[in-house]
Amino acid sequence: EPEVTQTPSHQVTQMGQEVILRCVPISNHLYFYWYRQILGQKVEFLVSFYNNEISEKSEIFDDQFSVERPDGSNFTLKIRSTKLEDSAMYFCAISRDSYNSPLHFGNGTRLTVT
Amino acid sequence: AQRVTQPEKLLSVFKGAPVELKCNYSYSGSPELFWYVQYSRQRLQLLLRHISRESIKGFTADLNKGETSFHLKKPFAQEEDSAMYYCALFTGTASKLTFGTGTRLQVTL
Repeated sequence: EPEVTQTPSHQVTQMGQEVILRCVPISNHLYFYWYRQILGQKVEFLVSFYNNEISEKSEIFDDQFSVERPDGSNFTLKIRSTKLEDSAMYFCAISRDSYNSPLHFGNGTRLTVT
Repeated sequence: AQRVTQPEKLLSVFKGAPVELKCNYSYSGSPELFWYVQYSRQRLQLLLRHISRESIKGFTADLNKGETSFHLKKPFAQEEDSAMYYCALFTGTASKLTFGTGTRLQVTL
């Protein structure tokens, strides 16, 4: 299974601060995703990214969120001004293509907003 | 809109007993379904997908389009099967997975 490394494993931040979550896929995959899981709830899709642009996003992914792959390697999720309700596990995932190809997940970053 | 339902939050079975984790889906197109497993403090891992029709770690799942179900089964539970299990629906055109709420499987001696 391809490796997906996420950093940091745990991030604590104050409400209103900006956070950047990072994902480094080891092998060469085309599609990148962010999912999140609020404690006790299901894993929810946030955004998919292909060819340096967003291919789809959910209603959760509002103007406070952005993604980019600045150096062709790291895939980042930025939350501009964090809110308490942003506290969750954030999972990066990759796949070879968008159809008929399973997603491989990272270990996740636990974000705690205080 | 697509939806995945896992009715049980917790399923507790004895070692050696059969296991069935339920999953029902709602999707107007041709579904592609997966089971993901998350062991304690580890990442979500793909367990199996319906198009492969394979058995992984003794688990199988059959897609039943008539009942819109994709239940996960294993004839004899092992202690190491204890984990969270998530059923997920992949819609190719939307390039995303829709997850169920997950079922925690607890295998006891």
